[in-house]
Amino acid sequence: DAGVTQSPTHLIKTRGQHVTLRCSPISGHKSVSWYQQVLGQGPQFIFQYYEKEERGRGNFPDRFSARQFPNYSSELNVNALLLGDSALYLCASSPWGTGVIVQETQYFGPGTRLLVL
Amino acid sequence: EDQVTQSPEALRLQEGESSSLNCSYTVSGLRGLFWYRQDPGKGPEFLFTLYSAGEEKEKERLKATLTKKESFLHITAPKPEDSATYLCAVSGSARQLTFGSGTQLTVLP
Repeated sequence: DAGVTQSPTHLIKTRGQHVTLRCSPISGHKSVSWYQQVLGQGPQFIFQYYEKEERGRGNFPDRFSARQFPNYSSELNVNALLLGDSALYLCASSPWGTGVIVQETQYFGPGTRLLVL
Repeated sequence: EDQVTQSPEALRLQEGESSSLNCSYTVSGLRGLFWYRQDPGKGPEFLFTLYSAGEEKEKERLKATLTKKESFLHITAPKPEDSATYLCAVSGSARQLTFGSGTQLTVLP
């Protein structure tokens, strides 16, 4: 079975530009979350989506936005890029569901490495 | 606010030398504690989910345990291929993962 896929794998942008990152969840998973990981740190939560609705947002500026499509895939958009946005961007999917604890586990994709010059 | 602290930051072991990694946490309404393995430049690979104090799970040379304030990842007779960064995360009432900074494990042959 295919795991979480992300595209592109690597990206180089300059300050002020815009970037769109894409994620396809594991088949059957309805929730997608986005994380930012800078070197030497653990992933930091950005957004969580379930059934195309935003269910949670981390402490990130409004330059960051996301959406989820009817097929449960997702996009993360970042406007007006800053040098500090350079990081590994991770997408994770989970079944979500209610009342069944086992569905809490999130499975991660390989990430998109973004470098802002 | 959920918080996770992992120790040590880095650990070097000789092959076969068993040890434990620590994850201390505070969370509002624990829905799960998760351990992941991450190789350089790659996404985290899921290892274990623990849901309640006293729970234990094992996989090959790894064993994860959970108390009300901590989780331990025990590594028995590690091999060089176990070298990686091990991440601990909690999911609370908001159902978002809060990660620690990880423990970078190096196993020397």
